[in-house]
Amino acid sequence: NAGVTQTPKFQVLKTGQSMTLQCAQDMNHNSMYWYRQDPGMGLRLIYYSASEGTTDKGEVPNGYNVSRLNKREFSLRLESAAPSQTSVYFCASSERDRGLGETQYFGPGTRLLVL
Amino acid sequence: GQQVMQIPQYQHVQEGEDFTTYCNSSTTLSNIQWYKQRPGGHPVFLIQLVKSGEVKKQKRLTFQFGEAKKNSSLHITATQTTDVGTYFCAGPRGSNDYKLSFGAGTTVTVRA
Repeated sequence: NAGVTQTPKFQVLKTGQSMTLQCAQDMNHNSMYWYRQDPGMGLRLIYYSASEGTTDKGEVPNGYNVSRLNKREFSLRLESAAPSQTSVYFCASSERDRGLGETQYFGPGTRLLVL
Repeated sequence: GQQVMQIPQYQHVQEGEDFTTYCNSSTTLSNIQWYKQRPGGHPVFLIQLVKSGEVKKQKRLTFQFGEAKKNSSLHITATQTTDVGTYFCAGPRGSNDYKLSFGAGTTVTVRA
């Protein structure tokens, strides 16, 4: 099993350009997430999807859109990139354990630089 | 929703020494999880604590959940260079919200 995969691994954009970050998981998980990681700020939730066909905003959704294409895939789109969106983006998936929390499995990340 | 705070933000350790990193929540947690992220890597799940006062060990790592379920600690004994990385704690955002709120992490460097 590949777990959670993300493409691309690195990307450089100019301000105003658009792009889509792809994420796929092969663990049959219902929940999927997009986080951004900036120095000293930990992981901040951008959007999440509790199940196929549903998406909801997290802490920092402005400037982003998402699509839960099917159970496996969850994409993140930047419509008009800004330098403030320079960050490392992680996709994660999870499945709830009854009585316990949801352990999250992370992809390798996409390192995005917006000039 | 609850917030999770971690201290210290940075920990510089001499190889062979012990250290502890702490995690505090503004509210009672149903469970707490710890993740490790190696430099240039992605967060990887280490452990979950559920019960009040629970202590779990993984080799040289000891994880503890406070009696009030509002704080947790990670103690590493005889630090090795393989312990380098950032350690995050995370707890559910609310009593009916399974999504995780992550602390800012403790970044550990080791002097050989």
